[in-house]
Amino acid sequence: GNSVTQMEGPVTLSEEAFLTINCTYTATGYPSLFWYVQYPGEGLQLLLKATKADDKGSNKGFEATYRKETTSFHLEKGSVQVSDSAVYFCALRDSGNTPLVFGKGTRLSVIA
Amino acid sequence: SAVISQKPSRDICQRGTSLTIQCQVDSQVTMMFWYRQQPGQSLTLIATANQGSEATYESGFVIDKFPISRPNLTFSTLTVSNMSPEDSSIYLCSVAVSRGRGDEQFFGPGTRLTVL
Repeated sequence: GNSVTQMEGPVTLSEEAFLTINCTYTATGYPSLFWYVQYPGEGLQLLLKATKADDKGSNKGFEATYRKETTSFHLEKGSVQVSDSAVYFCALRDSGNTPLVFGKGTRLSVIA
Repeated sequence: SAVISQKPSRDICQRGTSLTIQCQVDSQVTMMFWYRQQPGQSLTLIATANQGSEATYESGFVIDKFPISRPNLTFSTLTVSNMSPEDSSIYLCSVAVSRGRGDEQFFGPGTRLTVL
């Protein structure tokens, strides 16, 4: 079946540090890939997505590139801020009207 | 986009009782999903609820424990039956909206359930 594996947290970084959160997937078809973010006390929000190989999703300074050859969708940001502290979930949706499958989430804490 | 509201936002319940969670969407959607997020964990799909058909449950979830209704294209309920402390979780309603190439999935704010 489909699955998503993302790096274990928590991740603690200083402000302006470079962020990478690794995500790899297993899928039978050609999935769409997503990063969702959950800020403290808030609901789940879509951060970015990519629907086909070599697509790059970007939003709020975050980027992730759909790498079919390595089945990866790593999340990166060049300079994190305290306000980026949240839990980040990598997810996939297989082709068709199927629900999202989530990774376990990675908690990021950014300290000033 | 789709705006989703859930009621109640949180509740504290006694063991052995049942709670029904309501999910209201501001537009008509075909596909609706219910997820559970246990403390410190990721989201686990409970079931898919499409209007006009029986809900489809994922492995480990059964209709007797989590009965679902989907009376129309904007509303659904999830009942957590005969609760135990292990059912303490956040329960999230989600919908899929067609966006040209593929669907986008939106989430409600969640219902935080604590079972004593």
